[in-house]
Amino acid sequence: DVKVTQSSRYLVKRTGEKVFLECVQDMDHENMFWYRQDPGLGLRLIYFSYDVKMKEKGDIPEGYSVSREKKERFSLILESASTNQTSMYLCASSLLVGGLAKNIQYFGAGTRLSVL
Amino acid sequence: DAKTTQPNSMESNEEEPVHLPCNHSTISGTDYIHWYRQLPSQGPEYVIHGLTSNVNNRMASLAIAEDRKSSTLILHRATLRDAAVYYCIHNSGGSNYKLTFGKGTLLTVNP
Repeated sequence: DVKVTQSSRYLVKRTGEKVFLECVQDMDHENMFWYRQDPGLGLRLIYFSYDVKMKEKGDIPEGYSVSREKKERFSLILESASTNQTSMYLCASSLLVGGLAKNIQYFGAGTRLSVL
Repeated sequence: DAKTTQPNSMESNEEEPVHLPCNHSTISGTDYIHWYRQLPSQGPEYVIHGLTSNVNNRMASLAIAEDRKSSTLILHRATLRDAAVYYCIHNSGGSNYKLTFGKGTLLTVNP
């Protein structure tokens, strides 16, 4: 079975802190994604990566950056955490299948981040 | 962005079939239809996907309308563990990676 592991289930940080959220997948997937999920807003894509060292902005990249130095690991960085970044953060990975991606995404359990 | 329309909530009884509808009138010819579900306190979980033909797997069946503007996820015998938010998704036109999640349908299963 595909496994996507997020390093923490719960995190509490203070405003202004630098925060790292880590995600590791064990299925050699090319694509990895970071979403945030807020009540009433659903899942929104922050960033994704389609290869090592490659990244593209999603719908809400402001206030975030990402790093992908190895294929299996994708990190989300909050350079200076703010209270409006309190949210559930979800990592996902997917395999690009042929030229037309069926794009089945496999998700981690999520990290609930509180910024005080 | 790709847009789907689903009921906000549905209710079912345990061991009865459940039909979860979805409208996706803007779907393009090469977009797959995906269904995911999210159990409480978990990340979304892939359920099933299809392009044109009806599909079955161990979790569910997917019935796709002939014009592809709607689909129905069928849980043949609902269990309490099927209580979740169910999302119907299709790829954004021209995108082969992005899934746009809507608000989904909250399924309640009564014992």
